[in-house]
Amino acid sequence: GAVVSQHPSRVICKSGTSVKIECRSLDFQATTMFWYRQFPKQSLMLMATSNEGSKATYEQGVEKDKFLINHASLTLSTLTVASAHPEDSSFYICSAEGPDKSGELFFGEGSRLTVL
Amino acid sequence: QKEVEQDPGPLSVPEGAIVSLNCTYSNSAFQYFMWYRQYSRKGPELLMYTYSSGNKEDGRFTAQVDKSSKYISLFIRDSQPSDSATYLCAMKRAGNTPLVFGKGTRLSVIA
Repeated sequence: GAVVSQHPSRVICKSGTSVKIECRSLDFQATTMFWYRQFPKQSLMLMATSNEGSKATYEQGVEKDKFLINHASLTLSTLTVASAHPEDSSFYICSAEGPDKSGELFFGEGSRLTVL
Repeated sequence: QKEVEQDPGPLSVPEGAIVSLNCTYSNSAFQYFMWYRQYSRKGPELLMYTYSSGNKEDGRFTAQVDKSSKYISLFIRDSQPSDSATYLCAMKRAGNTPLVFGKGTRLSVIA
């Protein structure tokens, strides 16, 4: 299947730091990528839809000025958590639809953010 | 009513048991139905993928979709301790749309 890669897999930072997470489609082009967040023992919640060459679409309750999404190319979307605080500590996962457009979404390995 | 409902468990079964996991949903526009397995501190791993209604079998896993009842199931036969994980149902509409996840069911298979 298609491969989606995320980096870094784990980051620990001090409060007030900005953190960038990269999501790459390794062997296919993804015009759209989806960013999810998962708190401990909770399900995955969609944060935003990242569209190549245009602004991201954010879900209700997600601060677009805090979670900056850039989808500058067909294989790369980045999520920047601006001025992170402890409550932003979570597991962030990106996904993209595979090249066959069958509806199947492929997930990255996830990035665990811990803000001290 | 949430779009996707899933009993979070936990569910504990003895090794070798048949496990039944279920989700209900309210959005009749959902056409793609998936089951993911997630181990602690890892990303979700796709187990089964079904388009529209029907059954699909893959080894010890069987997925069923009943669109008329808005009900999907995952059966695990001959369960193993290595099956212990959280199982998430997920579904989506047609087109390049995001998945909507259930809460996940924590399963423990006891040796």
